Amino acid sequence: SAVISQKPSRDICQRGTSLTIQCQVDSQVTMMFWYRQQPGQSLTLIATANQGSEATYESGFVIDKFPISRPNLTFSTLTVSNMSPEDSSIYLCSAGGRGLMETQYFGPGTRLLVL
Amino acid sequence: GDSVTQMEGPVTLSEEAFLTINCTYTATGYPSLFWYVQYPGEGLQLLLKATKADDKGSNKGFEATYRKETTSFHLEKGSVQVSDSAVYFCALLSNYQLIWGAGTKLIIKP
Repeated sequence: SAVISQKPSRDICQRGTSLTIQCQVDSQVTMMFWYRQQPGQSLTLIATANQGSEATYESGFVIDKFPISRPNLTFSTLTVSNMSPEDSSIYLCSAGGRGLMETQYFGPGTRLLVL
Repeated sequence: GDSVTQMEGPVTLSEEAFLTINCTYTATGYPSLFWYVQYPGEGLQLLLKATKADDKGSNKGFEATYRKETTSFHLEKGSVQVSDSAVYFCALLSNYQLIWGAGTKLIIKP
């Protein structure tokens, strides 16, 4: 298995600002993923972050709004840019790949409130 | 495309009751199947998984069997506890991406 930590665990931000969320894995992983979870809803995949290449974004999500970095096999960041109240959500990082028997393990999430 | 359908919640049970949460899927091939649990205010935890037909995943008293013929992966527990109150998500793995069900909220009353 893998242990994943995220920082910050929660934040309250002002409209128009940006927040960078960090995700750290305790072992090297092939793939890392960023999800958004609206209150009471299921998870929506934002993008897949692979080390050494550009992130792959899902429909409805763009790099200008959600830039992602993946500098090595244990770390990734997601930035939520130019925030609006509609960005208030839980942001979850997960890691998976062949080394983890194709299972994805999740971080505790970052709870974001935009005022 | 691939999809997962879960029974709608909330599901409310008394302590020690038998639990079934239905999950069916549509997929090409035979994907790995998962149940994740999300306790209030927390992230997702892997509860159990099955990687091929007739496999049974089990953990913490929960079980689910990969049924190819009915394309199902129903979650069961013989005797639930108040501490099992959470949201349960069924998912399948498709090209290294998880396809999620809508989630089922489970409420256990003492």
